[in-house]
Amino acid sequence: GAGVSQSPRYKVAKRGQDVALRCDPISGHVSLFWYQQALGQGPEFLTYFQNEAQLDKSGLPSDRFFAERPEGSVSTLKIQRTQQEDSAVYLCASSQSLAGQTNTGELFFGEGSRLTVL
Amino acid sequence: RKEVEQDPGPFNVPEGATVAFNCTYSNSASQSFFWYRQDCRKEPKLLMSVYSSGNEDGRFTAQLNRASQYISLLIRDSKLSDSATYLCVVHYSSASKIIFGSGTRLSIRP
Repeated sequence: GAGVSQSPRYKVAKRGQDVALRCDPISGHVSLFWYQQALGQGPEFLTYFQNEAQLDKSGLPSDRFFAERPEGSVSTLKIQRTQQEDSAVYLCASSQSLAGQTNTGELFFGEGSRLTVL
Repeated sequence: RKEVEQDPGPFNVPEGATVAFNCTYSNSASQSFFWYRQDCRKEPKLLMSVYSSGNEDGRFTAQLNRASQYISLLIRDSKLSDSATYLCVVHYSSASKIIFGSGTRLSIRP
């Protein structure tokens, strides 16, 4: 399909393990966002990429969280030494538009990666 | 105070009813506004953009009040399929953030 693809869909990790979550955005989309969504809450902004440049990482909750998009396409969100409070759905979204533009285009979301930390 | 605030609900209304949600935002530099819909255990999807002059899409009407810093969504003649969580979304032109509210849960009963 031509949508945003995320993997793995489900990940169970033991506390202290490192995890890596992958996002394949829609081809040609310049903007890529990562969000964290806890149960019963809205998506919380984590970080934003414009092509390969990480322009905003102010939402990353700690230095255990790291994201990259080295070639301006696929992105990986890495969480080191996972804690129970990291359990959430991690959503990736891409857009044709630049986030700094006046007219922001639609965000297309992947189905998310559900992380459970035991 | 959160940047984007919504009444979490749940709103439980009968089929055919009209229901309205409000959302307030704290940053007057906000540029663009949207409503997204999220079904249970699914990803959010764009419902509609919100324009300063207000806009309508079928049974859905969105309004923006910049002076009071709130946006609203009105759903007329509600259907069972409208049951979902409705997310208010704000884009800040001065930054690269697109901020989501915590969502309002709507349940339509037969």
